[in-house]
Amino acid sequence: SQQGEEDPQALSIQEGENATMNCSYKTSINNLQWYRQNSGRGLVHLILIRSNEREKHSGRLRVTLDTSKKSSSLLITASRAADTASYFCATDATGGFKTIFGAGTRLFVKA
Amino acid sequence: EAEVAQSPRYKITEKSQAVAFWCDPISGHATLYWYRQILGQGPELLVQFQDESVVDDSQLPKDRFSAERLKGVDSTLKIQPAELGDSAMYLCASSLENTEAFFGQGTRLTVV
Repeated sequence: SQQGEEDPQALSIQEGENATMNCSYKTSINNLQWYRQNSGRGLVHLILIRSNEREKHSGRLRVTLDTSKKSSSLLITASRAADTASYFCATDATGGFKTIFGAGTRLFVKA
Repeated sequence: EAEVAQSPRYKITEKSQAVAFWCDPISGHATLYWYRQILGQGPELLVQFQDESVVDDSQLPKDRFSAERLKGVDSTLKIQPAELGDSAMYLCASSLENTEAFFGQGTRLTVV
């Protein structure tokens, strides 16, 4: 079973535009993480936001967390062709040890 | 920079044969995960270790899959016998407690 669900499943934008991906989850969490995966490769951690945080920035990435709605969003500003990848959210549930992933959003940035 | 090492990178095996994957986590990471990722889907947790102990293996098909981490460091995931539906990417990751996971490059398994 998957805890997180990303939305949209796929996103195609022009270079320079912003990309927004959303993640919804089901149970209370300790933290939520976003990862990127290039085709056929392992996952690369992007950013972790804890349950007591509402917003976090890292370079061109901005993550928000709304625990009342059990949702998070990842914003990539000024996108580049190199941002083309699949993006996954993952959650660490309260009281448990698992890191559970959603199905991912496939982002395609056109040069 | 410390990395999670996995081997082999690619494996082709015939159905009903045995296959094994190896993972060496980042030094000092007590938590080790094995995930299976089918093409086009997100990673599915198979088993999670805390040091040498299994803390979750609820999604591990125990009739054919086994995992061990005898000394709490490196780990082996075995499938015996392999089935066609086992074709997937097998990802290993490690982490400190309650922090982000670091992933290896994965082993792509093809069962023919």
